[in-house]
Parts: sequence; C-alpha cells; structure tokens
Amino acid sequence: QKEVEQNSGPLSVPEGAIASLNCTYSDRGSQSFFWYRQYSGKSPELIMFIYSNGDKEDGRFTAQLNKASQYVSLLIRDSQPSDSATYLCAVMGGSQGNLIFGKGTKLSVKP
Amino acid sequence: NAGVTQTPKFRILKIGQSMTLQCTQDMNHNYMYWYRQDPGMGLKLIYYSVGAGITDKGEVPNGYNVSRSTTEDFPLRLELAAPSQTSVYFCASRGQGQGYTFGSGTRLTVV
Repeated sequence: QKEVEQNSGPLSVPEGAIASLNCTYSDRGSQSFFWYRQYSGKSPELIMFIYSNGDKEDGRFTAQLNKASQYVSLLIRDSQPSDSATYLCAVMGGSQGNLIFGKGTKLSVKP
Repeated sequence: NAGVTQTPKFRILKIGQSMTLQCTQDMNHNYMYWYRQDPGMGLKLIYYSVGAGITDKGEVPNGYNVSRSTTEDFPLRLELAAPSQTSVYFCASRGQGQGYTFGSGTRLTVV
C-alpha cells in the first residue's frame, strides 16, 4: 500500500519565522509531488509542485525534494497569520496518476 | 472559468435514503476524482475517471457509484445512505501532468 506520512501537528511558529513542513512517501517510483493548503471548512488549493531533486522556490514558499530519502518538505519564510491552515502533501502514483494524500499538518502562526 | 462546481454544498440524509452529488468542470480535463475527507483521516479516493465512459474504483468505493457520460460531468451516487458516509466530499479534476483542481465540497450528514 502506497503511503504518504506527515506529522499531524499542530506546528506553531511566531509571525515572521520560517515554518518547515515535512512529508515522507513509501513508493520509490513516485515522480511528482504536490503541496496543498486547506483552510478550515474550505477545499484544498495547490500551492507548490516539484518533480526534480533539489529546491523549487515560489515567493515565500520553497519545496524541497530528496528522492533518495523519499522526503519532501515545504518551507514558508516570513510566516504570516494568514498562513495558518492545514498543509497536505500529495504524491502522484500508480499508472493513472492518482494523488495519494497525507493526513496533513496543521500550522498555526501566532502574531 | 468556473473551474470545478459541486452541488449541493450541504445535505442531511436519513439512513437508507439515496442522493446524487453533482460535479461539473469547464476546463476540458479528462481526469476527474471523488474524494471523501473525514476529520484527521486525510483524503480518501472513492472513484476516478480518466475520460468519458471510463470509471474505476479507488480506495473506498463501497456504498457509492459513479458515471461519466460526458467530459464535464462526474456525478457520485450514494445508495442506501449509512452514518459511516457522513463526511465532506470533494470532486477534483486535472489536466495532463497537472495537479488537481478541487471543487468547494459537499458536507453530508447521515442521521
């Protein structure tokens, strides 16, 4: 069974700090990795995706991928209270490209 | 573009009743999905479709049925509703090589 593991949190960081969210996956053949943000009572929204080993930056967000360690992370720089949400890691697997989601990490940014 | 549209947003069903959750996308995506999300349990795949006329079971298909007569529409049918089907249901679609776009969700309570 392909699995995606995340620490459920809550992860609490002060405003302006760097928030680091981590994810591991079991399927070594996975090629595509996604981070979604979900506010309470809302649907998930895509914030980052990464395919290659290394870092990918988009504004305050940086996704990091290490396929050898089967590890994906999301860094949020200069965290804001509006970043408080649950962050879902998703891995694209299988022949049909379905996403397998972790259970999410709840982030709380304190003013 | 409206993206992915789900109806209804909320519904209360009695045990044994049936209903259809509607999902429509206007992005001409071939791939469509139904997930359910329970508190602390992440997103579980119910059914998916890779194109009109083609559907397949996901991780938790029991008690549900789907059809895909057009590219745009992917309704989810609940027959003989049970309390275990109380959940938030998300429809999603994706284009080739892209991440998912989610609908706003349907919050279903079975009493």
